[in-house]
Amino acid sequence: AQSVAQPEDQVNVAEGNPLTVKCTYSVSGNPYLFWYVQYPNRGLQFLLKYITGDNLVKGSYGFEAEFNKSQTSFHLKKPSALVSDSALYFCAVGGDKIIFGKGTRLHILP
Amino acid sequence: NAGVTQTPKFQVLKTGQSMTLQCAQDMNHEYMSWYRQDPGMGLRLIHYSVGAGITDQGEVPNGYNVSRSTTEDFPLRLLSAAPSQTSVYFCASSTLRGAEAFFGQGTRLTVV
Repeated sequence: AQSVAQPEDQVNVAEGNPLTVKCTYSVSGNPYLFWYVQYPNRGLQFLLKYITGDNLVKGSYGFEAEFNKSQTSFHLKKPSALVSDSALYFCAVGGDKIIFGKGTRLHILP
Repeated sequence: NAGVTQTPKFQVLKTGQSMTLQCAQDMNHEYMSWYRQDPGMGLRLIHYSVGAGITDQGEVPNGYNVSRSTTEDFPLRLLSAAPSQTSVYFCASSTLRGAEAFFGQGTRLTVV
């Protein structure tokens, strides 16, 4: 069975500082990994994905994620946080069916 | 392009009532899914489909039925609503395996 874990319910970061949102996964075979963002009262929006190739994946709004096969991790990163990055972030894994983590609320402090 | 359209946006049901949540996409996507979002639980997969005529169960399928008679539509049926089904429901679609999923705006369902 495939699954993802997001160990932090909330992450607080000061504006301008780098941010990391953690995700670990469990899947047999090569994983398809995703990050999505949800703003209040909205559906989810795609940020980036890893299927194969370079371990550092670049996505929307300046976000990137690092795939680490040995640690089964896919952490989301951004070099300099903005207040507008405050939202709920979901890591997901899968192919035919996509399984989501419980989400991490990112709070950027002005 | 409207993308993924869910109707209704809000619904209140009484325990035991049945209803259908509608989901339609105009992007000719093969893959469609239904999720429910509950506080602290993230998104949980209810049912999914990899093409017309093909459906399969997700993580929490009990109490829900789906069918996929056309590529465009993927309705979710609640057979006999229970308070535990109070949630926000999201429909999503994607072109193929491993592709970006597009989400609808959600249906907020309350069962009293």
